[in-house]
Amino acid sequence: DGGITQSPKYLFRKEGQNVTLSCEQNLNHDAMYWYRQDPGQGLRLIYYSQIVNDFQKGDIAEGYSVSREKKESFPLTVTSAQKNPTAFYLCASSLTGHRGYTFGSGTRLTVV
Amino acid sequence: QQQVKQSPQSLIVQKGGISIINCAYENTAFDYFPWYQQFPGKGPALLIAIRPDVSEKKEGRFTISFNKSAKQFSLHIMDSQPGDSATYFCAARVTGGGNKLTFGTGTQLKVEL
Repeated sequence: DGGITQSPKYLFRKEGQNVTLSCEQNLNHDAMYWYRQDPGQGLRLIYYSQIVNDFQKGDIAEGYSVSREKKESFPLTVTSAQKNPTAFYLCASSLTGHRGYTFGSGTRLTVV
Repeated sequence: QQQVKQSPQSLIVQKGGISIINCAYENTAFDYFPWYQQFPGKGPALLIAIRPDVSEKKEGRFTISFNKSAKQFSLHIMDSQPGDSATYFCAARVTGGGNKLTFGTGTQLKVEL
Protein backbone atom coordinates (compact mmCIF):
# COMPACT_ATOMS: atom_id res chain seq x y z
CA ASP A 1 0.00 0.00 0.00
CA GLY A 2 1.22 3.50 -0.82
CA GLY A 3 1.70 6.03 1.91
CA ILE A 4 4.01 8.20 3.95
CA THR A 5 6.14 6.75 6.71
CA GLN A 6 7.52 8.94 9.46
CA SER A 7 9.98 7.57 11.93
CA PRO A 8 10.42 7.36 14.78
CA LYS A 9 6.97 7.92 16.28
CA TYR A 10 8.48 9.28 19.51
CA LEU A 11 11.85 10.89 19.90
CA PHE A 12 13.59 12.21 22.98
CA ARG A 13 16.70 14.35 22.81
CA LYS A 14 18.76 16.43 25.14
CA GLU A 15 18.82 20.18 24.72
CA GLY A 16 21.59 21.32 22.38
CA GLN A 17 21.62 18.19 20.25
CA ASN A 18 20.66 18.08 16.60
CA VAL A 19 18.09 15.46 15.65
CA THR A 20 16.88 14.21 12.25
CA LEU A 21 13.30 13.14 11.57
CA SER A 22 12.71 10.73 8.73
CA CYS A 23 9.97 11.00 6.08
CA GLU A 24 9.62 8.50 3.24
CA GLN A 25 6.81 8.23 0.67
CA ASN A 26 6.04 5.65 -2.00
CA LEU A 27 3.21 7.59 -3.64
CA ASN A 28 5.40 8.94 -6.44
CA HIS A 29 4.48 12.43 -5.29
CA ASP A 30 6.68 15.28 -6.46
CA ALA A 31 6.09 17.70 -3.61
CA MET A 32 6.81 17.15 0.07
CA TYR A 33 6.20 19.33 3.12
CA TRP A 34 7.10 19.58 6.79
CA TYR A 35 4.65 21.09 9.27
CA ARG A 36 4.92 21.64 12.98
CA GLN A 37 1.85 21.24 15.19
CA ASP A 38 1.54 22.88 18.61
CA PRO A 39 -1.60 22.97 20.77
CA GLY A 40 -3.83 25.89 19.82
CA GLN A 41 -1.63 26.95 16.89
CA GLY A 42 -2.66 24.65 14.12
CA LEU A 43 -0.13 23.46 11.57
CA ARG A 44 2.70 25.77 10.58
CA LEU A 45 4.85 25.20 7.50
CA ILE A 46 8.57 24.67 8.12
CA TYR A 47 9.94 23.72 4.67
CA TYR A 48 8.61 22.39 1.41
CA SER A 49 10.09 20.88 -1.72
CA GLN A 50 8.49 20.65 -5.16
CA ILE A 51 11.28 18.73 -6.91
CA VAL A 52 14.41 16.80 -6.05
CA ASN A 53 17.39 18.92 -5.00
CA ASP A 54 15.23 21.99 -4.45
CA PHE A 55 13.38 23.24 -1.36
CA GLN A 56 12.01 26.49 0.05
CA LYS A 57 11.56 27.92 3.52
CA GLY A 58 8.12 28.05 5.00
CA ASP A 59 6.83 30.35 7.70
CA ILE A 60 8.94 29.02 10.58
CA ALA A 61 12.18 27.69 9.01
CA GLU A 62 14.59 29.15 11.58
CA GLY A 63 16.44 26.40 13.45
CA TYR A 64 15.53 23.71 10.92
CA SER A 65 17.20 22.26 7.84
CA VAL A 66 16.11 19.79 5.15
CA SER A 67 17.47 17.92 2.15
CA ARG A 68 15.78 16.38 -0.89
CA GLU A 69 18.29 14.07 -2.53
CA LYS A 70 15.67 11.51 -3.55
CA LYS A 71 12.08 11.91 -4.65
CA GLU A 72 10.93 9.53 -1.94
CA SER A 73 12.72 11.11 1.01
CA PHE A 74 12.56 14.48 2.76
CA PRO A 75 14.36 14.36 6.14
CA LEU A 76 14.08 17.24 8.59
CA THR A 77 16.89 18.18 10.96
CA VAL A 78 16.00 20.07 14.10
CA THR A 79 19.14 21.94 15.07
CA SER A 80 20.26 23.27 18.41
CA ALA A 81 19.38 26.74 17.11
CA GLN A 82 15.67 25.94 17.32
CA LYS A 83 14.62 27.59 20.56
CA ASN A 84 11.52 25.56 21.30
CA PRO A 85 11.79 22.24 19.44
CA THR A 86 9.35 20.16 21.49
CA ALA A 87 6.36 19.60 19.17
CA PHE A 88 4.50 17.18 16.92
CA TYR A 89 6.07 17.14 13.45
CA LEU A 90 4.06 16.17 10.39
CA CYS A 91 5.34 15.32 6.93
CA ALA A 92 3.05 15.48 3.90
CA SER A 93 3.25 14.97 0.17
CA SER A 94 1.25 15.84 -2.93
CA LEU A 95 1.44 15.74 -6.69
CA THR A 96 2.82 18.99 -8.10
CA GLY A 97 0.01 21.49 -8.43
CA HIS A 98 -2.47 19.01 -7.01
CA ARG A 99 -4.25 20.31 -4.02
CA GLY A 100 -4.70 17.27 -1.79
CA TYR A 101 -2.07 16.38 0.80
CA THR A 102 -1.33 12.95 2.19
CA PHE A 103 0.06 13.20 5.72
CA GLY A 104 2.23 10.81 7.66
CA SER A 105 1.39 9.78 11.22
CA GLY A 106 3.82 12.26 12.72
CA THR A 107 6.82 12.27 15.04
CA ARG A 108 6.49 13.62 18.55
CA LEU A 109 9.78 15.21 19.55
CA THR A 110 10.49 15.98 23.17
CA VAL A 111 13.63 17.89 24.11
CA VAL A 112 14.66 17.64 27.73
CA GLN B 1 -0.12 36.65 11.37
CA GLN B 2 -2.98 34.19 11.28
CA GLN B 3 -4.27 34.22 7.70
CA VAL B 4 -7.06 31.75 8.34
CA LYS B 5 -9.06 32.26 11.52
CA GLN B 6 -10.97 29.26 12.82
CA SER B 7 -13.67 29.06 15.48
CA PRO B 8 -14.67 27.70 17.88
CA GLN B 9 -11.58 26.24 19.50
CA SER B 10 -13.66 23.41 20.96
CA LEU B 11 -17.18 22.13 20.44
CA ILE B 12 -19.41 19.63 22.20
CA VAL B 13 -22.38 18.27 20.28
CA GLN B 14 -24.96 15.65 21.17
CA LYS B 15 -25.19 12.54 19.03
CA GLY B 16 -27.42 13.22 16.05
CA GLY B 17 -26.89 16.96 16.21
CA ILE B 18 -25.26 19.32 13.73
CA SER B 19 -21.64 20.38 14.25
CA ILE B 20 -20.67 23.69 12.70
CA ILE B 21 -17.10 24.98 12.44
CA ASN B 22 -16.31 28.34 10.90
CA CYS B 23 -13.29 29.83 9.15
CA ALA B 24 -12.56 33.32 7.86
CA TYR B 25 -9.78 34.62 5.64
CA GLU B 26 -8.47 37.90 4.30
CA ASN B 27 -6.29 36.91 1.35
CA THR B 28 -8.38 37.02 -1.82
CA ALA B 29 -5.66 35.07 -3.64
CA PHE B 30 -6.72 31.84 -1.92
CA ASP B 31 -8.12 29.44 -4.52
CA TYR B 32 -8.69 26.17 -2.68
CA PHE B 33 -10.21 25.49 0.73
CA PRO B 34 -9.88 21.99 2.21
CA TRP B 35 -10.94 20.60 5.57
CA TYR B 36 -8.86 18.01 7.37
CA GLN B 37 -9.82 15.60 10.15
CA GLN B 38 -7.26 14.47 12.70
CA PHE B 39 -7.55 11.76 15.34
CA PRO B 40 -5.22 11.77 18.36
CA GLY B 41 -1.69 10.66 17.55
CA LYS B 42 -2.38 10.55 13.81
CA GLY B 43 -1.76 12.80 10.85
CA PRO B 44 -4.62 14.84 9.38
CA ALA B 45 -6.66 13.31 6.56
CA LEU B 46 -8.43 15.23 3.82
CA LEU B 47 -12.16 15.30 4.51
CA ILE B 48 -13.69 17.58 1.90
CA ALA B 49 -12.59 20.60 -0.15
CA ILE B 50 -14.13 23.43 -2.16
CA ARG B 51 -13.14 26.00 -4.79
CA PRO B 52 -14.24 29.64 -4.44
CA ASP B 53 -16.50 29.48 -7.50
CA VAL B 54 -18.80 27.03 -5.70
CA SER B 55 -21.07 28.04 -2.80
CA GLU B 56 -21.66 24.61 -1.34
CA LYS B 57 -20.26 21.10 -1.56
CA LYS B 58 -21.72 18.04 0.10
CA GLU B 59 -20.16 14.63 0.66
CA GLY B 60 -22.26 12.33 2.77
CA ARG B 61 -22.85 13.94 6.16
CA PHE B 62 -20.21 16.62 5.55
CA THR B 63 -21.00 19.93 3.83
CA ILE B 64 -18.84 22.96 3.13
CA SER B 65 -20.63 26.28 2.77
CA PHE B 66 -18.62 29.03 1.11
CA ASN B 67 -19.38 32.76 1.16
CA LYS B 68 -16.93 34.50 -1.15
CA SER B 69 -18.14 38.05 -0.48
CA ALA B 70 -17.83 37.59 3.29
CA LYS B 71 -14.57 35.61 2.91
CA GLN B 72 -15.91 32.89 5.15
CA PHE B 73 -16.41 29.16 4.85
CA SER B 74 -17.78 26.59 7.22
CA LEU B 75 -17.98 22.85 7.78
CA HIS B 76 -21.30 21.30 8.74
CA ILE B 77 -21.42 17.76 10.07
CA MET B 78 -24.97 16.46 9.97
CA ASP B 79 -26.18 13.67 12.27
CA SER B 80 -22.93 13.89 14.27
CA GLN B 81 -21.65 10.59 15.64
CA PRO B 82 -19.20 9.75 18.46
CA GLY B 83 -16.79 8.52 15.77
CA ASP B 84 -16.67 12.08 14.43
CA SER B 85 -14.92 13.17 17.63
CA ALA B 86 -11.62 14.55 16.35
CA THR B 87 -9.80 17.77 15.64
CA TYR B 88 -10.82 19.57 12.45
CA PHE B 89 -8.65 22.01 10.54
CA CYS B 90 -9.64 24.35 7.77
CA ALA B 91 -6.97 25.42 5.32
CA ALA B 92 -6.45 27.60 2.27
CA ARG B 93 -4.06 27.66 -0.67
CA VAL B 94 -2.70 30.71 -2.46
CA THR B 95 -2.88 30.74 -6.25
CA GLY B 96 0.58 30.08 -7.65
CA GLY B 97 1.96 29.48 -4.18
CA GLY B 98 3.38 26.04 -4.86
CA ASN B 99 0.45 24.17 -3.32
CA LYS B 100 1.35 25.39 0.17
CA LEU B 101 -1.53 25.25 2.59
CA THR B 102 -2.17 27.72 5.40
CA PHE B 103 -4.06 26.07 8.22
CA GLY B 104 -6.48 27.34 10.83
CA THR B 105 -5.80 26.70 14.50
CA GLY B 106 -8.12 23.71 14.73
CA THR B 107 -11.41 22.81 16.42
CA GLN B 108 -11.61 19.94 18.87
CA LEU B 109 -15.01 18.29 18.39
CA LYS B 110 -16.54 15.94 20.92
CA VAL B 111 -19.78 14.17 20.11
CA GLU B 112 -21.52 12.91 23.22
CA LEU B 113 -24.01 10.06 23.47
